[in-house]
Amino acid sequence: GAGVSQTPSNKVTEKGKYVELRCDPISGHTALYWYRQSLGQGPEFLIYFQGTGAADDSGLPNDRFFAVRPEGSVSTLKIQRTERGDSAVYLCASSDPGRTDTQYFGPGTRLTVL
Amino acid sequence: RKEVEQDPGPFNVPEGATVAFNCTYSNSASQSFFWYRQDCRKEPKLLMSVYSSGNEDGRFTAQLNRASQYISLLIRDSKLSDSATYLCVVGGGGGADGLTFGKGTHLIIQP
Repeated sequence: GAGVSQTPSNKVTEKGKYVELRCDPISGHTALYWYRQSLGQGPEFLIYFQGTGAADDSGLPNDRFFAVRPEGSVSTLKIQRTERGDSAVYLCASSDPGRTDTQYFGPGTRLTVL
Repeated sequence: RKEVEQDPGPFNVPEGATVAFNCTYSNSASQSFFWYRQDCRKEPKLLMSVYSSGNEDGRFTAQLNRASQYISLLIRDSKLSDSATYLCVVGGGGGADGLTFGKGTHLIIQP
């Protein structure tokens, strides 16, 4: 079946602009996660949704970052007033309600802030 | 202190050799443990879960030592296709929460 999909695959923006990154999880997966991976680092947890609600947003670095999942499926990560330090690959993952210990990752969105 | 620590390598290993990676984790409340594989410019993919009793999947063997907070991965008869970055990963209680990743160990299998 279809895996986790993310759009766009690449996004180049200018410092100070607003961006939205989209994640479409595997159908039926109620848990959805966002991670950020900088060059040479492992993925860093940002936020976790169970259904429509953010169950844990402790990884969001500051209030410029916000994520929503209004219908419990597709999620959007929103970054306001982008900074050069926001440049990274943003990864989305989802997990099966019956196997919450296994997360399936999407291909990521590579964000470059100039 | 980094929550999950790994030797970043690179490990350069001849084809057919056996190679072992280790990692340590700092949160003694961690409940789930994994090795993920990540190819260049690709997303991480689950290689195997890790249990205290040890588990094996073909050429791959993983081991967890809760007392020492130490996780290992052994690859036997290494193949060129094993070249990748191996990420040591821990999760909290319940499984349905964010994972904590190490920086990864870069493995290069040489012909």
